[in-house]
Amino acid sequence: EAGVVQSPRYKIIEKKQPVAFWCNPISGHNTLYWYRQNLGQGPELLIRYENEEAVDDSQLPKDRFSAERLKGVDSTLKIQPAELGDSAVYLCASSATGGEDTQYFGPGTRLTVL
Amino acid sequence: GQNIDQPTEMTATEGAIVQINCTYQTSGFNGLFWYQQHAGEAPTFLSYNVLDGLEEKGRFSSFLSRSKGYSYLLLKELQMKDSASYLCAYHTGGFKTIFGAGTRLFVKA
Repeated sequence: EAGVVQSPRYKIIEKKQPVAFWCNPISGHNTLYWYRQNLGQGPELLIRYENEEAVDDSQLPKDRFSAERLKGVDSTLKIQPAELGDSAVYLCASSATGGEDTQYFGPGTRLTVL
Repeated sequence: GQNIDQPTEMTATEGAIVQINCTYQTSGFNGLFWYQQHAGEAPTFLSYNVLDGLEEKGRFSSFLSRSKGYSYLLLKELQMKDSASYLCAYHTGGFKTIFGAGTRLFVKA
């Protein structure tokens, strides 16, 4: 069974440019998470989806970040415009449900903003 | 400002036993996860403790004390490939998982 797929794996952009990350969760998983992980830190939740509904986006900086999961499967996270402080690894995870089910993580996208 | 604490780094010798501690403070608590994360890779699930006590899974064991807000991960017969970060995370009643900063374990020959 395929795991969580993310692309691109690496992205280098200049500040003020837009960037988008894509995630395909494990088949059948209803819950999808986007996390940001800074160097030497644990993942911090940005947004959680139950099917196509964003049920927790309290930590998403909505002035520059947006996300969508239109058909309840794939998801895209966008930053526009990017700032230097956005440099981090962006992890996507999925779980069967949003309860205590184990979250399975993708390999992440390492973003560098110059 | 995460209210979950674990040591930043630990070093141990191949073949030895190491215990990684984690303490947390939260009003809502369902259970505690341990994840392993090799450098540049995704976190992978190791264990989930809901009840107090020790759960063993091969070379890895995890312990939880809900009353003390304390958990540990025990790694036996250490191998070089165990060099990684180990993330402690608690699951709240609000369907949220809060991660610690991780403990970087270095296994030396």
